[in-house]
Amino acid sequence: SQQGEEDPQALSIQEGENATMNCSYKTSINNLQWYRQNSGRGLVHLILIRSNEREKHSGRLRVTLDTSKKSSSLLITASRAADTASYFCATDAGTALIFGKGTTLSVSS
Amino acid sequence: NAGVTQTPKFRVLKTGQSMTLLCAQDMNHEYMYWYRQDPGMGLRLIHYSVGEGTTAKGEVPDGYNVSRLKKQNFLLGLESAAPSQTSVYFCASSPTTANEKLFFGSGTQLSVL
Repeated sequence: SQQGEEDPQALSIQEGENATMNCSYKTSINNLQWYRQNSGRGLVHLILIRSNEREKHSGRLRVTLDTSKKSSSLLITASRAADTASYFCATDAGTALIFGKGTTLSVSS
Repeated sequence: NAGVTQTPKFRVLKTGQSMTLLCAQDMNHEYMYWYRQDPGMGLRLIHYSVGEGTTAKGEVPDGYNVSRLKKQNFLLGLESAAPSQTSVYFCASSPTTANEKLFFGSGTQLSVL
């Protein structure tokens, strides 16, 4: 069963713009993570936010978590062409890490 | 620093054939996982291991077997391949805490004809 669902499914922006993608989930979680996948490659861990945290930053990434709404958002500021990839949220509900279907981000120069 | 290495990278099987996918990690991680990725489905957990000599079923374990005889290796076996097992398979590992900061291999593209 799919725990996390990303929105939108696809996003196209220009270099320099900000990109925001959202993740909704169904059950209580221990933590929520975001991963990036470049075409034809494995996933790369970006950031982890725990259930008792509301916001976290890492470089150009900003993640928020609202446990009351069971949702998270990933903001990439000042996007670059190299940010073109698929982004997945993954939730830890205590048994296994469950991945959403991903948001495909295209950044054009 | 190799990280997580998967072999082979590509494989084509006929229905009913068997094969083993090998995952090796050089980071001394306790936890290892096998996922499959299908278009529009995201990643789904097949089996996982919480340490040497242990295995457990994930979300979609049917048709697969696994073994973790050595801490650094996690094998995924298909005893009788079916077209429904056509997918991209990813191995991952995590250090001392389950389900935190997974490190992924580059994947194995498997086609079953």
